[in-house]
Parts: sequence; structure tokens; C-alpha cells
Amino acid sequence: SQTIHQWPATLVQPVGSPLSLECTVEGTSNPNLYWYRQAAGRGLQLLFYSVGIGQISSEVPQNLSASRPQDRQFILSSKKLLLSDSGFYLCALPGQGAAGANVLTFGAGSRLTVL
Amino acid sequence: AQSVSQHNHHVILSEAASLELGCNYSYGGTVNLFWYVQYPGQHLQLLLKYFSGDPLVKGIKGFEAEFIKSKFSFNLRKPSVQWSDTAEYFCAALNDYKLSFGAGTTVTVRA
Repeated sequence: SQTIHQWPATLVQPVGSPLSLECTVEGTSNPNLYWYRQAAGRGLQLLFYSVGIGQISSEVPQNLSASRPQDRQFILSSKKLLLSDSGFYLCALPGQGAAGANVLTFGAGSRLTVL
Repeated sequence: AQSVSQHNHHVILSEAASLELGCNYSYGGTVNLFWYVQYPGQHLQLLLKYFSGDPLVKGIKGFEAEFIKSKFSFNLRKPSVQWSDTAEYFCAALNDYKLSFGAGTTVTVRA
């Protein structure tokens, strides 16, 4: 079965510091991968999606970037964090098989607080 | 661009009351619709989904949702809620690779 690992689970960073959130998946190969941000009162916002190694699509202009260095690894980064980057970051991938392909499974998330 | 809107930000109700959460999407083509739920301290998990066929979809834990194409709506319902239904509920719509979420509705069920 597919599993999603996100690291770190929680992070407190000062404004202007760099960021790296990691997502790794198991039990699948060449998956589409997604980064979402959940901010209070704003629901889930799609930040990036990737259909393969080195392929990143950005959904909204922002202070963040994403990379897909390996098939099962998706990294969310920033060179200089802003206060507005605080939130709960979720990695997701589609389910398996025809029935599950359009259903996203989410990781446990990484909670980022920028002070 | 596709968008999903949820009508209620916070709903408070008593046990055994009926629940209905509104969801509208803006996309004219074929659409796949979902309701996700996030219980306190837990992951987001799928509650139910609509791809095609019967517009009345049954999900887990007694939830159901009705797809009304003419109204671009996919409202979530439960006839009698329990305290354990306290959670945040998200409506979502799929277009190509992208799943767009509504802002979420926090449901608080009082015992």
C-alpha cells in the first residue's frame, strides 16, 4: 500500500531563514505528487504539483519553490521565509488503480510557524 | 479557473440534529467531486466522491452528498449527527491533475 512520509512534523523558523520540507512516498512508482497549504480559514491551497522527476508546476506566485529530485521525493523550499508562509503543509498523491486515481491521499503534514 | 466555495464557515449543532453543508463549484466540464474530512489531530481523509452515475452518493459514517449539475452543487448531508462528527469538512473538485478545495466548514457537535 502507498504511504506518505513528511518531515519535519513541526517547525518554527524566524523570518528570513530558509526552509526545506520533505515528502517521500512508498508503495508506488512515478506518482503525481502535490504540495498543498492549509491556512486558518482559507482551506487547502494547491501550491505545486509534479508529474515526474524534475517536473514542477506552480499554481500560485509565492515565496516558495518545489523540487522533485527523485521519483518518490518531493521537496518544498524557500530561501527566505515570510510571516505569511506560516501554515500547515500537506503532501499528497493519487490512489492506485482506476478507481483510486482521482482520489488524493494526504500525508500527516508539516506545521510551519514563522516568527 | 476552477473554484470551489463552501457556504458555511462554522456550523454548531446538537447531537441527533440533521446536517447539511453547502458546496458549489465553478467548472463547466466533466467534474469529479469529493468531500474530505479532518477530525481533530488526524489526517485529511476521504468521506465520499462522485465521478458519474447516481447523483446521490453514499459515503462513510452515514454521510451522503447529492450532485446537482444544474446548480453546480454537491451538498453534504447527514440525517442525525453524533458528537464524533465534530471535524472540519472540505469540498473539492478535480480538474485534470488539480484538486481544488473549498475553504472548509468547521462542524461542532454538542453532546
